[in-house]
Amino acid sequence: DAGVTQSPTHLIKTRGQQVTLRCSPKSGHDTVSWYQQALGQGPQFIFQYYEEEERQRGNFPDRFSGHQFPNYSSELNVNALLLGDSALYLCASSRQGIWSGELFFGEGSRLTVL
Amino acid sequence: AQSVTQLDSQVPVFEEAPVELRCNYSSSVSVYLFWYVQYPNQGLQLLLKYLSGSTLVESINGFEAEFNKSQTSFHLRKPSVHISDTAEYFCAVSAPGGYQKVTFGIGTKLQVIP
Repeated sequence: DAGVTQSPTHLIKTRGQQVTLRCSPKSGHDTVSWYQQALGQGPQFIFQYYEEEERQRGNFPDRFSGHQFPNYSSELNVNALLLGDSALYLCASSRQGIWSGELFFGEGSRLTVL
Repeated sequence: AQSVTQLDSQVPVFEEAPVELRCNYSSSVSVYLFWYVQYPNQGLQLLLKYLSGSTLVESINGFEAEFNKSQTSFHLRKPSVHISDTAEYFCAVSAPGGYQKVTFGIGTKLQVIP
């Protein structure tokens, strides 16, 4: 049973560029949440997708956008990258309607902006 | 809105000694509380959770936490730590139901000294 998978694992971009990160949820899960974890900080909630719609959003600018596909996989897009966007981006999956209280995390995509 | 405060950013402890990692939460509604652990270069994984019922919850590797509503705390304890417990520990909170948004603290780095 595959867990949550994310790609790429590492990437380096320059300021002003755009990046797309990808996530496949755990088998049987239909909800994907994205978190940003800056160095030395806890994960910060970016947004959550369910039924291909953004259901909740944290305090992040519109430069951060996402998408969920019919197979429940998801993408996180960040436009006009800033140095402060350097962080570990974590994808977490869960299942609506059966909230056991557990999010299943991938190992993350580490983004470095130069 | 819910929030958590982790009172210690780093906790050094000798192997086989007891440890307590402190967490306080803030919420105007009932809460679910969690402890997640993050080993180096990995994503987060659930260590234990309080949803309802018994206020003392335990993990499979010897950690326990007690939900204290009057003190709004959910401290994590282990009577005897091992080298393998070296990791970063995140306290987290969520509201029952809803869209499963989990809010994390800034984390506590547990350093077990041989």
